[in-house]
Amino acid sequence: DTAVSQTPKYLVTQMGNDKSIKCEQNLGHDTMYWYKQDSKKFLKIMFSYNNKELIINETVPNRFSPKSPDKAHLNLHINSLELGDSAVYFCASSQDVALGGVYGYTFGSGTRLTVV
Amino acid sequence: GNSVTQMEGPVTLSEEAFLTINCTYTATGYPSLFWYVQYPGEGLQLLLKATKADDKGSNKGFEATYRKETTSFHLEKGSVQVSDSAVYFCALTPSNTGKLIFGQGTTLQVKP
Repeated sequence: DTAVSQTPKYLVTQMGNDKSIKCEQNLGHDTMYWYKQDSKKFLKIMFSYNNKELIINETVPNRFSPKSPDKAHLNLHINSLELGDSAVYFCASSQDVALGGVYGYTFGSGTRLTVV
Repeated sequence: GNSVTQMEGPVTLSEEAFLTINCTYTATGYPSLFWYVQYPGEGLQLLLKATKADDKGSNKGFEATYRKETTSFHLEKGSVQVSDSAVYFCALTPSNTGKLIFGQGTTLQVKP
C-alpha cells in the first residue's frame, strides 16, 4: 500500500529518556513534515525537509532533532523527554513544497507519546 | 500573519441534519485552502480542497467554497450520517511556503 507509515504507534517512556520516532513514505514525494498535536487537538508544524534538506524549523526546543537519511525517510529524535512533550506526533509528506499547496499533504496515523 | 479560525465545538447533530462548520482565514497572498478530517484514533485525511477564489471543493457529500471577499471556507453537508462523527480541521498553505496551518479543529458528533 502506498502510504506514510510511522513507528511506533504508541510510546510510553519516563522523563529524561531519549526516544526516536520513524517515518517512511513510499509516495515518491520530495517534502516531509513533522507535526505535533496537543491534548486539545491543535496541530502545529515542527519541521519540514525537502529532498533531505531542512527548510522549516519552527520554534522547537533543540532537544528535538529531525534527521532525513533520504527523501523517503524522516525521523524525529527527542532527548531528555519532559512531561510537556506528551502529544501525538504526525509525519506527513507532499509532492514538493509548492505542490503541497495544490494537492495537499498525506499524513501518517500518528505516534502517541506519553511521558511519565 | 497567517491563521485559521474555526467555530467552537463540539457540534452535535441528529442523523440527516444539515451541517455547517464555519472557517475564516487570514493570509498574505493567495493561499490554498483545505478541510481535513480525523476519525477517532486515526491520522488526518484530506477531505477536500480549493486552490483559488470561487473554487468549490467537494468530496463524500461535503462541500466548501473559497470566498476571498469574506476570507471564508465554510464546510457544508446536506445530510450527515453517524459515520461522519470526527474532528474536522480547516487549513491553509500560504503560497509556496510548504507550511500547512491549521485551525483548532471542530468536533462533530452525529446521533442516530
